[in-house]
Amino acid sequence: DIQMTQSPSTLSASVGDRVTITCRASQSISAWLAWYQQKPGKAPNLLIFKASSLESGVPSRFSGSGYGTEFTLTISSLQPDDFATYYCQQYNSYPLTFGQGTRLEIK
Amino acid sequence: QVQLVESGGGVVQPGTSLRLPCAASGFIFSSFATHWVRQAPGKGLEWVAAISSDGSDKYYRDSVKGRFTISRDNSKDTLYLQMNSLRGEDTAVYFCVRGSVAARQYFDFWGQGALVTVSS
Repeated sequence: DIQMTQSPSTLSASVGDRVTITCRASQSISAWLAWYQQKPGKAPNLLIFKASSLESGVPSRFSGSGYGTEFTLTISSLQPDDFATYYCQQYNSYPLTFGQGTRLEIK
Repeated sequence: QVQLVESGGGVVQPGTSLRLPCAASGFIFSSFATHWVRQAPGKGLEWVAAISSDGSDKYYRDSVKGRFTISRDNSKDTLYLQMNSLRGEDTAVYFCVRGSVAARQYFDFWGQGALVTVSS
C-alpha cells in the first residue's frame, strides 16, 4: 500500500497569510494526487486533482504542485472560510489512500 | 445538480449486518465508478471499496475484504454497501462518492454521509 504523510498536522495562521501544506508518498505516484478540504460535520470538497489542476469553482488562491513523491498545497492569501482540515489522496493504485490530514486553525 | 444520498445508517451490535444504499441523481450514474469512503469519529478519511461503472470490477481495502460487498443497480441509480460481521472498528460515517471520469479515480462529488455505530 502507498502511505501518504502530510505535514504539518496542525497549522496556525492568520487571515491574509500564505500557507503551504506538504504531502509525501511512500513511492512514486506520478501526478496522481488530489487535495480535499473538509469542514466539521461536512463531506470533503475536492480542491485540486492531478497534483496541480484546480477543480471548477475553487478559488484561484488555492494551488497545487509536485510530482513523484512530494507535493504541496498552497493557499496564497488565507480567507476566513479557509480554516478547515485538508487531506491529500493518491489515486495511482489501489488501495486508494489519504494523508492523515492537516488542520488549519486561526492564530 | 449531482446528488448522492446515503441512508440505512444506525446502531448495530458487533457481528451483525447492515446495508447502506446510496441514491444518485443529477448525472448519468451508469457512466461513473463509485466508491465508499469512511471516517471514524474524530479521525481521517479511509477509502473502503470501489465498483466500476458497469459493476464488473470491484476493489476493497484489506480490512473489509470478505465482510463487505459493494454493488450497484444502474436501473435504479443506486449504489450499495453490504456490511457483514461488523466490528467496533467499523464505526464511522460512510460517504458515498463519485469517482472521476478517468480510469484513475479521485473523488469529485460526495454524499452527506451515513453514520454507522457498532456497539453492544
